[in-house]
Amino acid sequence: EVQLVESGGGLVKPGRSLRLSCTASGFTVGDYGMSWFRQAPGKGLEWVGFIRSKDEGGKTEYAASVKGRFTISRDDSKNVAYLQMNSLKTDDTAVYYCTRDGYNAWYFDYWGQGALVTVSS
Amino acid sequence: EIVLTQSPATLSLSPGERATLSCRASQSVSSYLAWYQQKPGQAPRLLIYDASNRATGIPARFSGSGSGTDFTLTISSLEPEDFAVFYCQQRINWPLTFGGGTRVEIK
Repeated sequence: EVQLVESGGGLVKPGRSLRLSCTASGFTVGDYGMSWFRQAPGKGLEWVGFIRSKDEGGKTEYAASVKGRFTISRDDSKNVAYLQMNSLKTDDTAVYYCTRDGYNAWYFDYWGQGALVTVSS
Repeated sequence: EIVLTQSPATLSLSPGERATLSCRASQSVSSYLAWYQQKPGQAPRLLIYDASNRATGIPARFSGSGSGTDFTLTISSLEPEDFAVFYCQQRINWPLTFGGGTRVEIK
């Protein structure tokens, strides 16, 4: 059974860093593109970034709002994807979802349960 | 950036009724559009991809149509578990973008 479990969320002060982990089971993260999305409280969905599969070179893409601050990576030996978030701002407060591109076409068929990140002083 | 506009913002219907949701793109996305359903406190679920293909395990009462800039998600007969917020998403260009959502609520 395919499952994604995020961890690492919490309360952090503006300007600080946080790393979210996405532990996958039922498939190999390196075989698929993986993406992170976020949803601010009471708001809609926002794409954060994407990492291509191993076969596609693992290149990353980022939303303009996080480019230069956030980094997506993957540890194939642990079957985990990461979202490293630096220089956090209050506007980054959201539930962060890890997802799998199951169709190799930037459509996301499996989602984690979400990790809440609160940026506040 | 491609802007997706969903309408209406809220749809009030009764179980058994037909729901028709719209998503309009600011420029052509060809058929590269998906629909997701999100219930309160849950992650979104992929319903439709490439405008009209049902994702694995999605009931036949959900259907998608359209191409270019105008798309429709139809729920032929609403079941109690269908009441939720629905989002469209385009994948033709970076950044991936979503519409603002349509809430389907029980009348």
